[in-house]
Amino acid sequence: DAGVIQSPRHEVTEMGQEVTLRCKPISGHDYLFWYRQTMMRGLELLIYFNNNVPIDDSGMPEDRFSAKMPNASFSTLKIQPSEPRDSAVYFCASSQQGSGSYEQYFGPGTRLTVT
Amino acid sequence: GNSVTQMEGPVTLSEEAFLTINCTYTATGYPSLFWYVQYPGEGLQLLLKATKADDKGSNKGFEATYRKETTSFHLEKGSVQVSDSAVYFCALCTGGGNKLTFGTGTQLKVEL
Repeated sequence: DAGVIQSPRHEVTEMGQEVTLRCKPISGHDYLFWYRQTMMRGLELLIYFNNNVPIDDSGMPEDRFSAKMPNASFSTLKIQPSEPRDSAVYFCASSQQGSGSYEQYFGPGTRLTVT
Repeated sequence: GNSVTQMEGPVTLSEEAFLTINCTYTATGYPSLFWYVQYPGEGLQLLLKATKADDKGSNKGFEATYRKETTSFHLEKGSVQVSDSAVYFCALCTGGGNKLTFGTGTQLKVEL
């Protein structure tokens, strides 16, 4: 199994530009989570999906952030317009409810730098 | 609501020293408990877990015991190595949507 795949691994963009982060969860997993990690705020849950449906987006910082999951094998997190304070590492994770263990599998992350 | 409290880091140890990282939790119901590890430049990966009281999770020489009476899940290792240098996260899940509640993480630095 390839694990959770994220792209790009690194993204550098200028303030005001649109940024799209991508995630492919592990096949068969029915939960998908987006996290943001910074030194100041630690690891924050932004949003999560179950069977492609957003369940809780209370962690999304503001309207500039949006996430979609058009099918079971793909999700995007979009920031428009981006700001320097959005600089962080963004992780995607997936899990399978049927496993009963609640373990989440994390991708390698996308390091976003907004200048 | 659910919460996890970990000891502040960084923790700096010499190689072969004994490690303890404290973790306590507050949860409704009966949570499953986890320790995740994050090596530099990587995502989090599961280190060990325990799903009910008195269970002991273990992996790679690390151990943690689910203590319901003290609501704790302390991570221990008898002899750390330089390669154990990483950030360690304690987490819990009460089953609601497979959502994990994480602690703030504890950075471990092991020196020769």
